Amino acid sequence: AQKITQTQPGMFVQEKEAVTLDCTYDTSDPSYGLFWYKQPSSGEMIFLIYQGSYDQQNATEGRYSLNFQKARKSANLVISASQLGDSAMYFCAMREGANAGGTSYGKLTFGQGTILTVHP
Amino acid sequence: GAGVSQSPSNKVTEKGKDVELRCDPISGHTALYWYRQRLGQGLEFLIYFQGNSAPDKSGLPSDRFSAERTGESVSTLTIQRTQQEDSAVYLCASSLQVAFGVQRKLGTDTQYFGPGTRLTVL
Repeated sequence: AQKITQTQPGMFVQEKEAVTLDCTYDTSDPSYGLFWYKQPSSGEMIFLIYQGSYDQQNATEGRYSLNFQKARKSANLVISASQLGDSAMYFCAMREGANAGGTSYGKLTFGQGTILTVHP
Repeated sequence: GAGVSQSPSNKVTEKGKDVELRCDPISGHTALYWYRQRLGQGLEFLIYFQGNSAPDKSGLPSDRFSAERTGESVSTLTIQRTQQEDSAVYLCASSLQVAFGVQRKLGTDTQYFGPGTRLTVL
């Protein structure tokens, strides 16, 4: 079974509009972390936002927010006020095996990605 | 400060040759990871180093792949007898890897990636 599922191969959004990129995950571990990365055409992986499984509130970083629905095992990325520079591939990733109070396991499992295109 | 660096940025080799890829993590990061990204795909985990612990090699696809790390610094990923299916971008990442209680709040186990090495096997 896929551990991370991104069902949208491609998304289009108008500049200045908001867009939601979907991510669902599968784990039986109570301690895990969810990450979103942006990969522009240059190929670099840029960290955007992090949500821990025990976090009570949804994570926010500037124009990025994470809609974390634990019971549904979803961690959708919301980008507000889209900009042309947001056009890129977006990856959702999960880290499992973290023990509260100890060191985390570390390995990230990635989804297949969603290509976001922002139109002027 | 300096981010994760990787060299070379591009490598073209002939099938059957050995290649060595290098990664310099962010100073002070105790954890180092190697991933592979095939064209149009997500990243696949290869290997993970954490301090002086034995590395987690569970993602290495075959015994032609190996990696070493000297202390908490440079790592090299070696692919022996390269095959065409090894063609991909190889990405290295590092993270602080402090106690999870702190990580949970600060996200300091976040992995920061290098620019990658694009390997082409002819």
